[in-house]
Amino acid sequence: EIVLTQSPATLSLSPGERATLSCRATQSVGNYLAWYQQKVGQAPRLLIYDASNRATGIPARFSGSGSGTDFTLTINSLEPEDFAVYYCQQRSHWPLTFGGGSKVEMK
Amino acid sequence: EVQLVESGGGLVQPGGSLRLSCAASEFTFSSYDMNWVRQAPGKGLEWVSSITSGGITYYADSVKGRFTTSRDNSDNTLYLQMNSLRGEDTAVYFCAKDGGVRGILGTLDIWGQGTMVTVSS
Repeated sequence: EIVLTQSPATLSLSPGERATLSCRATQSVGNYLAWYQQKVGQAPRLLIYDASNRATGIPARFSGSGSGTDFTLTINSLEPEDFAVYYCQQRSHWPLTFGGGSKVEMK
Repeated sequence: EVQLVESGGGLVQPGGSLRLSCAASEFTFSSYDMNWVRQAPGKGLEWVSSITSGGITYYADSVKGRFTTSRDNSDNTLYLQMNSLRGEDTAVYFCAKDGGVRGILGTLDIWGQGTMVTVSS
C-alpha cells in the first residue's frame, strides 16, 4: 500500500499569505495525485487532479505541482474561505490512499 | 446541479448489518464509476470501495468480505451493504462520483454530504 505523508500537520497563516503544503509518497505515483479541501462539517471538495490540473470552478490561486513521490499544493493569497483541511490522494495503485491531512488555520 | 444524497446511516450493534444508499441526480449515473469513502470521528479520509460503471468492485482490506458495493443503474442509486460491523467501522460514509479522468478510476469529483454510521452496544 502506498502511504502518503502530508506536512506540515498544521499551518498558521493570515489572509493574503501563501500556503505551501507537501505530500510525499512511499513510492512513485506518477502524476496520479489529487488534492481535496474539507471544511468542518462538510464533504471534501476536489481541488486538483493529476498533480496540476484544477478541477472545475476552482480559483486560480490554487495550484499543484510535482510528480513521482513529491507533490506540492500552493494557495496564493489566502482568502478567509480557504482555511480548512487539505488532503492528498493517489490513484496510481490499489488501494486508493489518502494522506493524513494538513490543516490551514488562521493566525 | 449534479447531486449525491446518502441515506441509511444510524446506530447498529457490533456484529449487525446496515445498508447505505446514495441517490444520484443530474448526471448519467450508469456511465460513471462510483466510490465510497469514510471518515472516523476526528480522523482523516479512508477509501472503502469502488465500483466501475460495468459493475466491477474493489474493496479496502479492512472491509473485504464484510461489505458489498452494488449499483442500480435503473434507479440511479449506489449501495453499500455492511455486515459484521465493528466499532472501528464507526464513521461518516461518503459516496463520491468518479471523474473518469483518462479512464482510470480514482478521481473523486463530486461528493455527497455523508451519512453517519455508529457501531456500538
